[in-house]
Formats: sequence, structure tokens, C-alpha cells
Amino acid sequence: GAGVSQTPSNKVTEKGKYVELRCDPISGHTALYWYRQSLGQGPEFLIYFQGTGAADDSGLPNDRFFAVRPEGSVSTLKIQRTERGDSAVYLCASSQLQGAGGYTFGSGTRLTVV
Amino acid sequence: QKEVEQNSGPLSVPEGAIASLNCTYSDRGSQSFFWYRQYSGKSPELIMFIYSNGDKEDGRFTAQLNKASQYVSLLIRDSQPSDSATYLCAVKGSSNYKLTFGKGTLLTVNP
Repeated sequence: GAGVSQTPSNKVTEKGKYVELRCDPISGHTALYWYRQSLGQGPEFLIYFQGTGAADDSGLPNDRFFAVRPEGSVSTLKIQRTERGDSAVYLCASSQLQGAGGYTFGSGTRLTVV
Repeated sequence: QKEVEQNSGPLSVPEGAIASLNCTYSDRGSQSFFWYRQYSGKSPELIMFIYSNGDKEDGRFTAQLNKASQYVSLLIRDSQPSDSATYLCAVKGSSNYKLTFGKGTLLTVNP
């Protein structure tokens, strides 16, 4: 597809479980971003990849959150020991170059921790 | 102080009117400014960006930037019911990759 693809679109998990959220960026885009949007809030930055490496992971809330992008394309956001406060929409975006304007978000993964 | 501030609204305007959405930011080093539209249950969609002081027009939308006042706004002319959404202001600072968002302003256009 032409856009950023995120799977699953919805995920319900029990407190304490492990989850993985996947992002497939636009082909050729080297920069990839993860954001989290809680109800009634704007998206909040989590992590930025340039190629395979995490150039800035300062937005990850704690060490239960981890993200990888092993081949510089698809990225996976991993959350261990999920808590109810992790419930949010997780958004992924990509861009061709750092700093090149705004970027386009995927449709997001709605995570609900029960 | 929150880095990007918006009135949460709701802002209600009649169809055909001008809707004015405002945003202030705290980082004087900010370089670029964006407006996203978000329909309920959907992801944010980029509608405008502006880098330089002044106005930038695109169809019914005009973005205005005043760096001295650290203020950016979005005007929507001839508002339509389909414009009803939450409008998010976002600022890219000196990092040149990280967007900082406001909470958004809910706009309702009444037929």
C-alpha cells in the first residue's frame, strides 16, 4: 500500500501480558516515529528511528517499552507487563528525510489493557 | 508551562462562517509549525504547515505565524459540516524531527 500500515488495528490484552505492535512504513522512508495518544490528548512522542537505529528514545515512558527496526523498514513496539495506564492509541509515522516537513501517520493501534 | 497550548473548545460556528483556531508555543527555537485534523476515531491528518512569519493560504485554509509572539493560527473560511473535527497544532523544535502537539481544539460546524 501507499501509506503507513499498522497492525493490529485493535488489541485487547490482560494486565501483565506482553504485546507487540507493528508498523510498516512507506517504502523508502528512512525515518520512522512512534507516538502515543491518550483520550483527550494530543499525540506524544515515544521514539524516532533513522534507519535501523533509535536516534531518540527519550519519549519511552519506562523500561517496559522497547522498539526495534532491525532491517530499517518494519518496526515493532514492544510493551512488557502491560498496565491499564498503557491503554491508548499507538501511532506510527514515517518520512523520507529527517526534518522534511510534517509526516503522515498510520491508522494506529488501539491498545486496551483490561 | 505546557509547550504547545490550544483552547480545547468546543468551538462552534455556523456553516459558511470563518472558524479561527489558535495555538501558542513556548520554545523560541521552534522552526516549523503544523496543523493536523483528526476526525473521531481516526488518526491525525496533516492539512497545513508553515515555516515563515506571515500567512500561508491553501484553498479554504490559511495558516498564520507570528514567531515574535510565539503564536500560530488556522483560519477556515466558508466552514462546512465536514470540517467538524479536532484540530491539532504541532510544533517542530530545534531537534528538527520531533513534533510536540497541543491537546487539540474540537470544532463543530452547524448546518
